[in-house]
Amino acid sequence: GAVVSQHPSWVICKSGTSVKIECRSLDFQATTMFWYRQFPKQSLMLMATSNEGSKATYEQGVEKDKFLINHASLTLSTLTVTSAHPEDSSFYICSARTDLRGFNTEAFFGQGTRLTVV
Amino acid sequence: AQSVTQPDIHITVSEGASLELRCNYSYGATPYLFWYVQSPGQGLQLLLKYFSGDTLVQGIKGFEAEFKRSQSSFNLRKPSVHWSDAAEYFCAVGDSNYQLIWGAGTKLIIKP
Repeated sequence: GAVVSQHPSWVICKSGTSVKIECRSLDFQATTMFWYRQFPKQSLMLMATSNEGSKATYEQGVEKDKFLINHASLTLSTLTVTSAHPEDSSFYICSARTDLRGFNTEAFFGQGTRLTVV
Repeated sequence: AQSVTQPDIHITVSEGASLELRCNYSYGATPYLFWYVQSPGQGLQLLLKYFSGDTLVQGIKGFEAEFKRSQSSFNLRKPSVHWSDAAEYFCAVGDSNYQLIWGAGTKLIIKP
């Protein structure tokens, strides 16, 4: 299947700093990418849907000024956690959806980024 | 409210035994149903999906799932598990654009 690369796989940062996470589709173009947050022993929570060339659509309760999403090209979306605090510590996962239609559409997932804010 | 319930947090089965992971959903429209597997250090991998048609869906790695509309269920099955199947399994419901609602996951433990 197609490959989505997420970088870094883990990061530790100080409280108050910002962290950028990259999500790249390596062998396909993705007009749409999704950003999720996963808490331990809980399900994935969709944070936002990122569309290339336009503003991301954030889910209710997700602070768009805190979680900045940029989707500047068909193969790259970034999530920046601004002014990070310990409660932002979590596992962040991106996925990229193929630009096919119907049943052939599929979303491929990155390996995830473990963010720890100290 | 739209939701996905995976009632078993973890399941332990012996290698070679059969497996069934349960998934129930609540969704306001025609559901598109998915099962994903997450292994440590790896991204989520799609096992199978149901959009329409035959309610028994075959997936990769010998997995299958059956959509039962009357029970709002989409249980995952495998006739004989292998040690390499140990992982976390997620059921999800959504639309064909992959706007997904996820269950909490079931951790599968394989006994030798």
